[in-house]
Amino acid sequence: AQTVTQSQPEMSVQEAETVTLSCTYDTSESDYYLFWYKQPPSRQMILVIRQEAYKQQNATENRFSVNFQKAAKSFSLKISDSQLGDAAMYFCAYRSGLNSGNTPLVFGKGTRLSVIA
Amino acid sequence: DTEVTQTPKHLVMGMTNKKSLKCEQHMGHRAMYWYKQKAKKPPELMFVYSYEKLSINESVPSRFSPECPNSSLLNLHLHALQPEDSALYLCASSLRQTGEDTQYFGPGTRLTVL
Repeated sequence: AQTVTQSQPEMSVQEAETVTLSCTYDTSESDYYLFWYKQPPSRQMILVIRQEAYKQQNATENRFSVNFQKAAKSFSLKISDSQLGDAAMYFCAYRSGLNSGNTPLVFGKGTRLSVIA
Repeated sequence: DTEVTQTPKHLVMGMTNKKSLKCEQHMGHRAMYWYKQKAKKPPELMFVYSYEKLSINESVPSRFSPECPNSSLLNLHLHALQPEDSALYLCASSLRQTGEDTQYFGPGTRLTVL
C-alpha cells in the first residue's frame, strides 16, 4: 500500500519570505499523480498544485512550485513571497495512475503553516 | 468553474434524529466522493460513486446511507448517529474515478451529534 509522509507537523514563515514544505511517499508504481491541497481555517480543501509522475518538469502555479524528485520519492512544496492568506494546513496526497477504479487519494498527516506579519 | 457546493454548512442533531447532507456539482463530473475529517486529521474516504453507481464503500457503518439521485447530486442520509460521528463531512468530485482526474472539494458540512 502507498504511504505519504509529511515530517513537519508545524512550520512558520515571515511574510514575504520563502518556505518549503516536505513530503515523501512510498510506492512501487511508476504511474501516479501527486497533489498539494491547502485547507485554511474555513476548512475547505483547495487544490494548490498537481504533478504527474511521468513529467520531469516541476509544476508551478504562480507563487507555488514543487521540487519533484522521482527517484528519491520526494515532492516538496515551495511557497514564495508568503502572504498572510497562505496560513493553512497543507496536505500532500498521492493517487495511483491505475485505472482499476479503486484509486483513492492517500493523504499525508498535514503540515500547519503559520505566516508571521 | 471548479465549484462543489454543500448544504447545510453546519448541522447539529440528536442521536435519534434523521438528517441529510447534500452535495452538488455542475462540472459534468461522473465521480463523487464523501469524506469524513476529524479535527487536525486528514480526510478519510467513506464512499465513492462512479456514474451514479456506488463504487466504493469503505466499511462505513449503516447509520450512514449515501444516495446519488443523478450525475450532479450526492446525498448522505444520517440516522441514529453517535457523538463520535461529529466531524467535518467533505464532498468531492472528479471527471472520472481514475487517478489522473483531480478531485475538487466542497466547503464541507460541520456536523455535531449531541
